[in-house]
Amino acid sequence: EPEVTQTPSHQVTQMGQEVILRCVPISNHLYFYWYRQILGQKVEFLVSFYNNEISEKSEIFDDQFSVERPDGSNFTLKIRSTKLEDSAMYFCASEALGQGNTEAFFGQGTRLTVV
Amino acid sequence: SQQGEEDPQALSIQEGENATMNCSYKTSINNLQWYRQNSGRGLVHLILIRSNEREKHSGRLRVTLDTSKKSSSLLITASRAADTASYFCVPRVNNDMRFGAGTRLTVKP
Repeated sequence: EPEVTQTPSHQVTQMGQEVILRCVPISNHLYFYWYRQILGQKVEFLVSFYNNEISEKSEIFDDQFSVERPDGSNFTLKIRSTKLEDSAMYFCASEALGQGNTEAFFGQGTRLTVV
Repeated sequence: SQQGEEDPQALSIQEGENATMNCSYKTSINNLQWYRQNSGRGLVHLILIRSNEREKHSGRLRVTLDTSKKSSSLLITASRAADTASYFCVPRVNNDMRFGAGTRLTVKP
């Protein structure tokens, strides 16, 4: 069964440092997503990405965040200057077609801890 | 953008019983998806129902959709302890895929 893989599984970083979270979507998928989930809270949409552009983004996705598909396989989320409140699980997802016409596959997440 | 609102927030049943979760949404959709999340782990797609469908089955899952009422339900029959998880409905129109608070299902052995 194809799967979305995320690395690292856990990252600890100092406040103010930049972090890059990595995701390898399923190979023939075209739409990619990032979410975060603060411990005990709901899954929050950050951004969707299609054709090398941001398709939709939430109010959480401010200038501190950026996404990139640097090499046609990886899909990355960068947080420029981490804050304590960025501590959360970050999930990547991909789907073959947009607008929910196919199922989305999620990775197992990266736990980011900002100290 | 929109997200589904699941009801109830929490549901506790005995193994072997059926579990029903409801979902409401606000605007027209292309389709509606249900997902499951085991505690803190990645979400897993369960079933997709298109806006022109009224009912769909997959194994022990049965989903209904009423577009006139903007509502959906998920029925899990003969529940198992392994079904313990949070369940989310996701109404889809575009690529803004948002999750609500979900229904937290606990199945007691």
